Amino acid sequence: TQLLEQSPQFLSIQEGENLTVYCNSSSVFSSLQWYRQEPGEGPVLLVTVVTGGEVKKLKRLTFQFGDARKDSSLHITAAQPGDTGLYLCAGARPGKLIFGQGTTLQVKP
Amino acid sequence: DAGITQSPRHKVTETGTPVTLRCHQTENHRYMYWYRQDPGHGLRLIHYSYGVKDTDKGEVSDGYSVSRSKTEDFLLTLESATSSQTSVYFCAISESVGASYFGPGTRLTVT
Repeated sequence: TQLLEQSPQFLSIQEGENLTVYCNSSSVFSSLQWYRQEPGEGPVLLVTVVTGGEVKKLKRLTFQFGDARKDSSLHITAAQPGDTGLYLCAGARPGKLIFGQGTTLQVKP
Repeated sequence: DAGITQSPRHKVTETGTPVTLRCHQTENHRYMYWYRQDPGHGLRLIHYSYGVKDTDKGEVSDGYSVSRSKTEDFLLTLESATSSQTSVYFCAISESVGASYFGPGTRLTVT
C-alpha cells in the first residue's frame, strides 16, 4: 500500500510549458519534502514545507502544502530541459520519511 | 553538499554470499537511513538509526541487518544475498526527521 501517491507518474512536455505534480495521502504529515533526482545520483532536497497552506517558491518552482497537511503540489512555470529528472515527495512520520513513487519529467527542447 | 559517502559504489556478488555496504558521514547528524530504489517502487526504507546503537526496521527489512557503532558510520548487511536484492541502495542522513541528504548510491547486482 502506497502511503503517498504521486501523479502523474510520467510527464513529457515541450520547453516553455507549465506543469503541476501532485502528492496525495490520506495521512497527516508533520512536514513534507520535495526532492529531485538525476540518473546515477542520489535525490537532492529542493524544499521542506511544514505549515498547512504554506507556499514556497524556488525560482520557477512553486511548492504548496495542503491546509490539512495531507497533500502537496509542485508547479513548474516555463519548464526548461534542465528541469528533466525524477521528482519525489516525502512525508515525515515518527523517525522516518515515507516516499512517493516519483514523477519522471522529461522536458524536450 | 552534505558530507556523505557510500562504499562500494558498485558491487557484483553471487547468490548466498554476505554483503556489507558502508555509509559514512562527516556532518554529525543524528539520523541515518538505508533505502533501496527499484523501478516502479520509488525509495523504500530498509532500516534506520536514530543514534549510536539505536536502530529500527523500515518497510522492507527482511534479509537485511544494520549496525551503527559510531555516529559517522552506518553499515547495511545482506546476510545471504538473493537476486531479489539486486537494486540501487541509498544512504541518507538528517539532523531531525524530515529533510534528508542522500549519498551517491551503491549499485548492487546479485547473480
